[in-house]
Amino acid sequence: AQSVTQLGSHVSVSEGALVLLRCNYSSSVPPYLFWYVQYPNQGLQLLLKYTSAATLVKGINGFEAEFKKSETSFHLTKPSAHMSDAAEYFCAVSDRGNTGKLIFGQGTTLQVKP
Amino acid sequence: GAVVSQHPSWVICKSGTSVKIECRSLDFQATTMFWYRQFPKQSLMLMATSNEGSKATYEQGVEKDKFLINHASLTLSTLTVTSAHPEDSSFYICSASGIRGSYEQYFGPGTRLTVT
Repeated sequence: AQSVTQLGSHVSVSEGALVLLRCNYSSSVPPYLFWYVQYPNQGLQLLLKYTSAATLVKGINGFEAEFKKSETSFHLTKPSAHMSDAAEYFCAVSDRGNTGKLIFGQGTTLQVKP
Repeated sequence: GAVVSQHPSWVICKSGTSVKIECRSLDFQATTMFWYRQFPKQSLMLMATSNEGSKATYEQGVEKDKFLINHASLTLSTLTVTSAHPEDSSFYICSASGIRGSYEQYFGPGTRLTVT
């Protein structure tokens, strides 16, 4: 079985500060990992994905994440927060199987203060 | 590319009626579509997985007779909430996959259902 845990349901940073959103996963098979962003009343937009190539993954809008197998983590970072980054962020894991099902974490609300 | 649409974007219906939500992949053929439910301030909960031409596979605890899913073509899946009740009020999101055999899911914008 697979699962995802996002540490911190709410993260608040100042504009220009480092963003760090934490994600730990559990999987019995090598996982695919994803980060999505959701703005109010909208669907999900893919930020980045890990599919067993490079462990440091760069995504859109300046975000990146590093896959660390030893720590079973896939934390999302951005060097400098913008006001427009305020949103809900979801980490998800897929088992690479034929189902392609995604298991989502609980989500982290990112607040960016001016 | 890889655009998924949902219709309607929001709907209000009376208790006891049925509501149909459409999910379309606009520029690719989706071999698999997924339906999620999201309560306010919560994560997405997978309801079911549907493959074109076959019956949907429902997650544990999801009533298949209440949430009817049809995936009749490679570009369209529908979710019908039958005999809706206020507790069915939620945000329903679909996703689609199938580009070049890829596992990646592309998400629709969601449908806000309110049952009065």
